[in-house]
Amino acid sequence: NAGVTQTPKFQVLKTGQSMTLQCAQDMNHEYMSWYRQDPGMGLRLIHYSVGAGITDQGEVPNGYNVSRSTTEDFPLRLLSAAPSQTSVYFCASSPYQGSASEAFFGQGTRLTVV
Amino acid sequence: AQKVTQAQTEISVVEKEDVTLDCVYETRDTTYYLFWYKQPPSGELVFLIRRNSFDEQNEISGRYSWNFQKSTSSFNFTITASQVVDSAVYFCALSEAGNGYALNFGKGTSLLVTP
Repeated sequence: NAGVTQTPKFQVLKTGQSMTLQCAQDMNHEYMSWYRQDPGMGLRLIHYSVGAGITDQGEVPNGYNVSRSTTEDFPLRLLSAAPSQTSVYFCASSPYQGSASEAFFGQGTRLTVV
Repeated sequence: AQKVTQAQTEISVVEKEDVTLDCVYETRDTTYYLFWYKQPPSGELVFLIRRNSFDEQNEISGRYSWNFQKSTSSFNFTITASQVVDSAVYFCALSEAGNGYALNFGKGTSLLVTP
């Protein structure tokens, strides 16, 4: 069982470039989310989705776009990369049943913007 | 405002010592959930426990135990007889209905267990 798969694992971008971080889950979970982890800051929520076609902003959404066209996929787009977006990005999924469930996390994507 | 506070940034103990990681949370919801996650040096996030606001029973799982006290808004985590493999960053998180049950993480406590 693959669980939550993030690609790529590592990426270096130049300032101003755009890219998409991929996230796919095979557990038929309704809830998916993106977090960024910075030293000493814990994990901060970027965007989340409670089902296909529904997305919402988290704590730090600026500079990122998401869409949820299928239950399985929840890509995160960086529109114009900035050095401040250098971080480790985690995608998570959980079954959304009107309450909070255990979130399953991907292995993370380490992004460096130069 | 920080909703989850983990005041201990780093803790260092010697193997076999007991250690308690503190977590204080803030919420106005009556229904909420609390979590602990472990992040070992390899970087993945490992789920440890989920507790809802209506269940104040303490929980024990092997060497791990959790103390939930609504009166002090705390959800502390104790490792008994620590081992080197317990070295990791531990995150406490709060989930509320008001933001779609997204996880709101504390900044984490880095635990180092030395032989």
